[in-house]
Amino acid sequence: DTAVSQTPKYLVTQMGNDKSIKCEQNLGHDTMYWYKQDSKKFLKIMFSYNNKELIINETVPNRFSPKSPDKAHLNLHINSLELGDSAVYFCASADGQETQYFGPGTRLLVL
Amino acid sequence: SQKIEQNSEALNIQEGKTATLTCNYTNYSPAYLQWYRQDPGRGPVFLLLIRENEKEKRKERLKVTFDTTLKQSLFHITASQPADSATYLCALDIDGGTYKYIFGTGTRLKVLA
Repeated sequence: DTAVSQTPKYLVTQMGNDKSIKCEQNLGHDTMYWYKQDSKKFLKIMFSYNNKELIINETVPNRFSPKSPDKAHLNLHINSLELGDSAVYFCASADGQETQYFGPGTRLLVL
Repeated sequence: SQKIEQNSEALNIQEGKTATLTCNYTNYSPAYLQWYRQDPGRGPVFLLLIRENEKEKRKERLKVTFDTTLKQSLFHITASQPADSATYLCALDIDGGTYKYIFGTGTRLKVLA
């Protein structure tokens, strides 16, 4: 069983489109994150939810909107995609403030 | 400005030697510092966590030190093997006990057979 799963694994789309990435964890953790890893491999936090409540919202354009329907899921919706949104997006979950378990990543390419 | 730097972008060492990776930070007071391994095309995998009141932590061939005065963590892999080749990331919670982790720039380690 995969602990943290993301769909889709690859996403190729045109500029201006709206897309969603889904994340699910079966670890029973309270906290989930979205990270963006750019072409230079720098991993940057975007959002974090704890028990379905948004607790971290970094300087991210309003086009990005996370949604947590329940503790096990954290989805990321992106409106009006831009070229600069091309990156790998990682979901992670954590039990408390310590170990984070990362998903396999979603590779987004905006053309 | 606040940042986390890892000593070098890439490090090559000979198999069997000890690899030492450095993580330096400024303007933070973290309660925890973590080290992760990331292989190409995969998500980071947790290796070790060290708390602010701990000087050293070990796990098999891995050792982490944490010096809050120097604002530095060292990550050692002893008896390195080609299978240890990967990118290693340090991460720290920037406000001491919050859920917000900031990652370092990463060091790409290559162990030569």
